[in-house]
Amino acid sequence: DIQMTQSPSSLSASVRDRVTITCRASQNIGGFLNWYQQKPGKAPNLLIYAASNLQSGVPSRFSGSGSGTDFTLTISSLQPEDFATYYCQQSYSTPYTFGQGTKLEIK
Amino acid sequence: QLQLQESGPGLVKPSETLSLTCIVSGGPISSNNYYWGWIRQPPGKGLEWIGSIYYSGSTYYNPSLKSRVTISVDTSKNQFSLRLSSVTAADTAMYYCARLDYGGNSVFDYWGQGTLVTVSS
Repeated sequence: DIQMTQSPSSLSASVRDRVTITCRASQNIGGFLNWYQQKPGKAPNLLIYAASNLQSGVPSRFSGSGSGTDFTLTISSLQPEDFATYYCQQSYSTPYTFGQGTKLEIK
Repeated sequence: QLQLQESGPGLVKPSETLSLTCIVSGGPISSNNYYWGWIRQPPGKGLEWIGSIYYSGSTYYNPSLKSRVTISVDTSKNQFSLRLSSVTAADTAMYYCARLDYGGNSVFDYWGQGTLVTVSS
């Protein structure tokens, strides 16, 4: 299985901060990397697919980059509704695997 | 707007079989380029893909669960189902059904709200 490792596991930030979350794959996965946001008590919501493509309806302050084994999710200016847990997911091969999550909290 | 809704018992006894159904509305389950899948999340933990099915019945499962999992589809009812046998407390989790867009980059683009299943006697 491909292991996905996110860092940090948790992060405290303020509204209007720029935040970056990193995801590392245990092997080369090309651009087969997706990002999801999950709020408490809710299902995950797709933000970014194929490493850098913004899902329809997702605000442009979210962006993704990377290829191979190292990927980043950036929120350019944090809004109150962005405080949530973020997961990366590799879709290069089955079993599809997720990172352990990064919990973004209000400072 | 596509919607998915899980249903099934919230409490299952150890060693028994967990059975859940996902009803899809707002679009046909028999669509090209889409698989339908199950993902679970133990309380306070991360996400684990269980398996996925195509409307033709073609399946693929997470090897870690493969010996205990069966996913089936009923196109006439626009729904698909999960069966997980010989459950233990480790199977206690929120279970989500989701659409897997297999067109290019496999992404879970629509999710159900989830249903909590507790394994306990």
